[in-house]
Amino acid sequence: AQSVTQLDSQVPVFEEAPVELRCNYSSSVSVYLFWYVQYPNQGLQLLLKYLSGSTLVESINGFEAEFNKSQTSFHLRKPSVHISDTAEYFCAVSLPLRGGGADGLTFGKGTHLIIQP
Amino acid sequence: DAGVTQSPTHLIKTRGQHVTLRCSPISGHKSVSWYQQVLGQGPQFIFQYYEKEERGRGNFPDRFSARQFPNYSSELNVNALLLGDSALYLCASRVVGIVAPDTQYFGPGTRLTVL
Repeated sequence: AQSVTQLDSQVPVFEEAPVELRCNYSSSVSVYLFWYVQYPNQGLQLLLKYLSGSTLVESINGFEAEFNKSQTSFHLRKPSVHISDTAEYFCAVSLPLRGGGADGLTFGKGTHLIIQP
Repeated sequence: DAGVTQSPTHLIKTRGQHVTLRCSPISGHKSVSWYQQVLGQGPQFIFQYYEKEERGRGNFPDRFSARQFPNYSSELNVNALLLGDSALYLCASRVVGIVAPDTQYFGPGTRLTVL
């Protein structure tokens, strides 16, 4: 079975500073990788995903994540954060299904990103 | 287009009762998945349905069951409620891709409180 570890439960960062949220996964087979964001009292929104190809994936709001197969990591980064980035961030994996599609997502416990003015 | 909708938004039940949660997927999405998110934790996968058939199941007891209807909407049923079932229940829908997996879109969730 696969598992996801988010090493930091909380990350405080000053506004306009860079940030990295760490994610490591464990799986005996290839997986698909995702980052979701959850703003207070809202559902989950997909931030970015890695399926195959280029190991660096980017989102429209300045986040990026790099898939590192040898280190089984998928860390999320942003060069300059804003107050509006305050949220809970979840790393997740899913397994490819035979015949197409993907299995249910396995999530990490989440990292609370706190932006300080 | 409307996103994934879930009803009710909040629900309070007592131990031993039964609850039914409902989910309507995005138009054109044929797969629905259910997740349980306990406060302070990441969501945990409960079920995945596609074309009215169960395609995946997480590590949850038989008190949890679900079904998908011909219009692709779905119900999650929980029997004999326990205090530990208190959580945010999330529904996610997607178009089942053949070549590559597609994105799951999550609804706002149903907040279940068991007293």
